[in-house]
This record gives sequence, C-alpha cells and structure tokens, in this order.
Amino acid sequence: LAKTTQPISMDSYEGQEVNITCSHNNIATNDYITWYQQFPSQGPRFIIQGYKTKVTNEVASLFIPADRKSSTLSLPRVSLSDTAVYYCLVGKTSGTYKYIFGTGTRLKVLA
Amino acid sequence: DTEVTQTPKHLVMGMTNKKSLKCEQHMGHRAMYWYKQKAKKPPELMFVYSYEKLSINESVPSRFSPECPNSSLLNLHLHALQPEDSALYLCASSNPPTALGLNTEAFFGQGTRLTVV
Repeated sequence: LAKTTQPISMDSYEGQEVNITCSHNNIATNDYITWYQQFPSQGPRFIIQGYKTKVTNEVASLFIPADRKSSTLSLPRVSLSDTAVYYCLVGKTSGTYKYIFGTGTRLKVLA
Repeated sequence: DTEVTQTPKHLVMGMTNKKSLKCEQHMGHRAMYWYKQKAKKPPELMFVYSYEKLSINESVPSRFSPECPNSSLLNLHLHALQPEDSALYLCASSNPPTALGLNTEAFFGQGTRLTVV
C-alpha cells in the first residue's frame, strides 16, 4: 500500500483558499486518491476522489500532477465550519480495498 | 439512504463483560469495515468483510470478534476487553473496488464511544 505524507497542521482565515498537499511517492498504477474530512467524535466523510489531472465537485477540487506522486486538495473560501482533520488515502482499484488512513492534516480556520 | 447506523452511541463495560456493537447499512454495499480510533489519532483498520466473508483481519486480538450475519449488518462482539481498548469504534461500508476505481467511496457511521472500566 502506498504510504502518504501530509502536513500535521495548518491554520487559515475565513474566506481564504486552503491547499493541502499529500505526498504518495510509491503510488501504484491502479491506485486512486481519496480525501476524507473528519470532525471530532464523528466518522470521516468523503470529500473527493480522483485518479489523474483535476477533479472538482461542489465542495473541493483535487489536483493530481502527471507523475501522480502527490495530490493537492483545494478548499475554496473556507469558513469556521471547515475546521477539521483532512485525510488523504491511496488505494487500489481492484480486489479487496483497505482504506488506510495516514496521520491527516488538522486544519484550523480562524475568524 | 446514504447512512451507516451504529448502535449504541456510547457504551461503558467492565473487563469481564460481553457486549456487541452493531452496524447497519441499506445502500446495497457488499464491503463493510470496522475501525478503531483513539483520541487525536487516525482511524485504524481492524476488519474487512467482502460479500459477507471476512477478507482482512489486521492482526486484531481475539477478544474482538466480528460477525456479518447478512449483507446489511455487521457486528463486533467484545469480550474480556482491557482499558486500553477504550476508543471510538467506527463502521464503514462501500462497494468493492472496480477496475475504474469508481463508486468506492466509503460511508462511515458516527461511531460507538467505548469505555472499558
């Protein structure tokens, strides 16, 4: 399984764009990248998933360069309610999938 | 219905007790998972069921015993736990991965907060 590395924590201000980068140097050809958000004492919640280039949904964008050794989660115009832990997961596209969580990035949004 | 329901929400048990955690989903997912999460740590995978069969056991002690009675239900039977087993226990479900890696989003329940005394 590909190991992921993220910054331990980040601070931002309301209204700013936040970019969280995840490194996954040994990503395999059939691995895809998924990001989850977790609030205290709640289960993780899916944010976005991608394989290559750029993916955008109503809450975030995911940028994946051609070599796929890293990915960047972009949260536009964060608010206080975006304060949470964000996890990057890398997993394969066939067989039994193990959702293995890395250390995550603790994002704190300040007023 | 995109919900995974876990019961109970909170559980306090003694070290000699036997209890069970329950998890239910009605999304038609054929993969279900148990995770353990300690405070300020990431969730740790314990077990994976695929098509109601245990496919992954991450070397979990035998005092934790999973059971998948049918495709919608997942149980975790607890016996002779230790205080260090106190944690948030999370259940999740997903479709098994496809060649395109699509529709493999995992849905998590809110967890059971377990305290062993």
